Order: sequence, then structure tokens, then C-alpha cells
Amino acid sequence: GEDVEQSLFLSVREGDSSVINCTYTDSSSTYLYWYKQEPGAGLQLLTYIFSNMDMKQDQRLTVLLNKKDKHLSLRIADTQTGDSAIYFCAESIKDSNYQLIWGAGTKLIIKP
Amino acid sequence: NAGVTQTPKFQVLKTGQSMTLQCAQDMNHNSMYWYRQDPGMGLRLIYYSASEGTTDKGEVPNGYNVSRLNKREFSLRLESAAPSQTSVYFCASSDRGGGPSLQYFGPGTRLTVT
Repeated sequence: GEDVEQSLFLSVREGDSSVINCTYTDSSSTYLYWYKQEPGAGLQLLTYIFSNMDMKQDQRLTVLLNKKDKHLSLRIADTQTGDSAIYFCAESIKDSNYQLIWGAGTKLIIKP
Repeated sequence: NAGVTQTPKFQVLKTGQSMTLQCAQDMNHNSMYWYRQDPGMGLRLIYYSASEGTTDKGEVPNGYNVSRLNKREFSLRLESAAPSQTSVYFCASSDRGGGPSLQYFGPGTRLTVT
């Protein structure tokens, strides 16, 4: 069945780049998404990428997609304390009736 | 433009009590979803409504019922609450079309069942 996997934690120093990784199993993915959840809040859509693309950049965020290895990453340049959050990877698959398959989330911890 | 709103924000129930979680969206979206979030498990889909007048089970529907009251509102009911239903509940909505399923989330309801 479909599965999306992420590491549970990532710790980086303020000012460094953060790279959050995600792997998925379903080859019929149409879009892949990154969401951010700050403490006590709902999920906020950060960015998404169409499965035929390799890369998408949006200000400090860079999404890389390796379709052959079914690997998705989110790079946050110049990581700030405000980036502390849980980051969720998700995919939508063909004929899924717009449901998303979610990873368990990666908690990004910023060290001063 | 409030987006997705949920009530209540917090709730404590005793085992066996019932309650309804309310969700409304003002983005004219066709699809709405109820998720639960438990530590280390990400989001699990309880029920969804692809369009007004339809509802379908998700991954973990047991112990829950839903009503798509109209295009704006989608409620989740716990008929007889159990401690295993202690969780954070999120409602989301998205539009339909040929493109990505961009889901927009409410702030969540934190439910404790004792």
C-alpha cells in the first residue's frame, strides 16, 4: 500500500540550511506537498511540486524531487528560530479522490 | 475571510459521553476532511466529503459519524466517547479540479476523554 516516511527529528544551528527528507512508495503520485505545523496550530501549506518536476524554489525554500528513488526533500536556507515547527510531507495519488497520504512529520529543532 | 474555523478549541469528556465537533469554511471549497493527530503518527483521515451530499470513510472511521450539512459545514460526532479518542482533531477543506489538492486546515480541537 501507499506509505510516506520521514525522520522524526532534525536539529540544525540557526543560520545553517535545514534539509528535511521524505520517501514515498506510490509511483502514481501526482503532486507532493510540504506542510508546516507550529506548536498549538493547524497545518499550513508551504509548497507543493508536480510529480513531473525536479525542483521548485520559493524564496528560502527549495524542493527537490527524485522520482526514480521516490525521494522528496525540503531545504530551508538560513534557518531562523521561527522555522521551528513540525514539517509534514504528503502525496496525492491518481484516482485517490483528492485524499492525501501523510508522513508522520519531522520536528525541526533550531540550536542557537 | 476566516478560512476554516472549528469549535470548540478544547473539550474534556467522560467515557460514554457524546459530542459534535463543528467545522465551517468560507472558501467555497467542494471537499472537506476530518483528521485526527496523535503523537508520532502524523495525520489519519477519519471521514471525508468529496462534495456536498456525499461522505466517505477514511482510514480510522470507527466510533465516529459525520454530516455534511451544506457546502460550508462538515461536522464530526462522537456518539460514545472512549479514552482512545483522546486526540487533536483537524478539519480541512480543498477545492476540486485537475490540479493539486491544496488542503487548508482549521486550528484544531483538542479533545481529552477521561
